[in-house]
Amino acid sequence: DTGVSQNPRHKITKRGQNVTFRCDPISEHNRLYWYRQTLGQGPEFLTYFQNEAQLEKSRLLSDRFSAERPKGSFSTLEIQRTEQGDSAMYLCASSFGDRETGELFFGEGSRLTVL
Amino acid sequence: QQQVKQSPQSLIVQKGGISIINCAYENTAFDYFPWYQQFPGKGPALLIAIRPDVSEKKEGRFTISFNKSAKQFSLHIMDSQPGDSATYFCAASKRGSGSRLTFGEGTQLTVNP
Repeated sequence: DTGVSQNPRHKITKRGQNVTFRCDPISEHNRLYWYRQTLGQGPEFLTYFQNEAQLEKSRLLSDRFSAERPKGSFSTLEIQRTEQGDSAMYLCASSFGDRETGELFFGEGSRLTVL
Repeated sequence: QQQVKQSPQSLIVQKGGISIINCAYENTAFDYFPWYQQFPGKGPALLIAIRPDVSEKKEGRFTISFNKSAKQFSLHIMDSQPGDSATYFCAASKRGSGSRLTFGEGTQLTVNP
């Protein structure tokens, strides 16, 4: 296990379709985060999990977005009824949860293009 | 609300020069200030981080300077190399936020040979 793995790396879809991204964190990490990054901007926080519990959601996470982390392992981020404004890089990160602040390890991201 | 403001947006430096990127924050509850480096097509990776109990931290060619009263911190890259060409993000987090980071807008650094 060398790092955070995200799939698919690229997804092109038509407006109105549903898409799902998967994130496999570093195995011993109990915290998992989803961020969204648009071109020329810093990552924006979407949501995070500690084990299987979703502890915080950003107001950026509209009702069309849902994230899960069953059994506290991998996580999925689903976007329903995609819109062109959803086009972005979706980044997943994981970390140890035994400290309040610490290093986040990011995956390479899943790039979404909505036509 | 942009809680972490970063400047400049882009920076061009000659090989061997010093690169300086600045950040300012608003929330005094922030207590952890990392810098992340991102190459094209890759996720951000931690470069160096500082907590507000110290004013400076150095790791190799990279130094963070921290000014708590001004609510500012900066990244200095000494002897900049072409391999340092990347986008740099400052970030901040606070206790009780589960290590959730708030990022700046990013600085695209180009180091010319």
